[in-house]
Amino acid sequence: NAGVTQTPKFRVLKTGQSMTLLCAQDMNHEYMYWYRQDPGMGLRLIHYSVGEGTTAKGEVPDGYNVSRLKKQNFLLGLESAAPSQTSVYFCASSWGQGHVETQYFGPGTRLLVL
Amino acid sequence: ILNVEQSPQSLHVQEGDSTNFTCSFPSSNFYALHWYRWETAKSPEALFVMTLNGDEKKKGRISATLNTKEGYSYLYIKGSQPEDSATYLCAFVNYGGSQGNLIFGKGTKLSVKP
Repeated sequence: NAGVTQTPKFRVLKTGQSMTLLCAQDMNHEYMYWYRQDPGMGLRLIHYSVGEGTTAKGEVPDGYNVSRLKKQNFLLGLESAAPSQTSVYFCASSWGQGHVETQYFGPGTRLLVL
Repeated sequence: ILNVEQSPQSLHVQEGDSTNFTCSFPSSNFYALHWYRWETAKSPEALFVMTLNGDEKKKGRISATLNTKEGYSYLYIKGSQPEDSATYLCAFVNYGGSQGNLIFGKGTKLSVKP
């Protein structure tokens, strides 16, 4: 049981390049989330999904797109990377509504945009 | 803008000391309060989810209390050990917020010296 995994662990991009971050969970969780962690700030929600085929915006969605084609995967896309998107990205999943259910986090993806 | 404050930002204690720190959140429209433990280079791990005013939860040497009327939660660690060194995050959920939206504090970084 791997829990929540993220690919890649680290990536360097040039401004304007695109990339996709992959999150996978093997716990059959309905809910999945993407957060970003910046120095001096708390984790901030980018987008989330309440089930296969659904997505919704979080607190800081601009510049990102997401897709949940399969229940176990949640993809975060950057169409045209900007230096402001340099951050550590965490994926999480939960069984039920994020309000009262424990969220299980992945190990993070460190992204540097030059 | 909903704000979650954690204090202190960092704390250095000796092994065996008991310690506590605070999470402050808006007292109106309270729904839930989460505590997470985040060790360096690892993923955040859930400690507690608290929903009821006056609630007290315990996990080994770690316990937490909740006061929703005044908008604070305390996390206590009894007899701190070096392995307790981590950043402790709290996250607030307000009634009526989006389903995934945990609002995280910046964390309290605890260092326990042997």
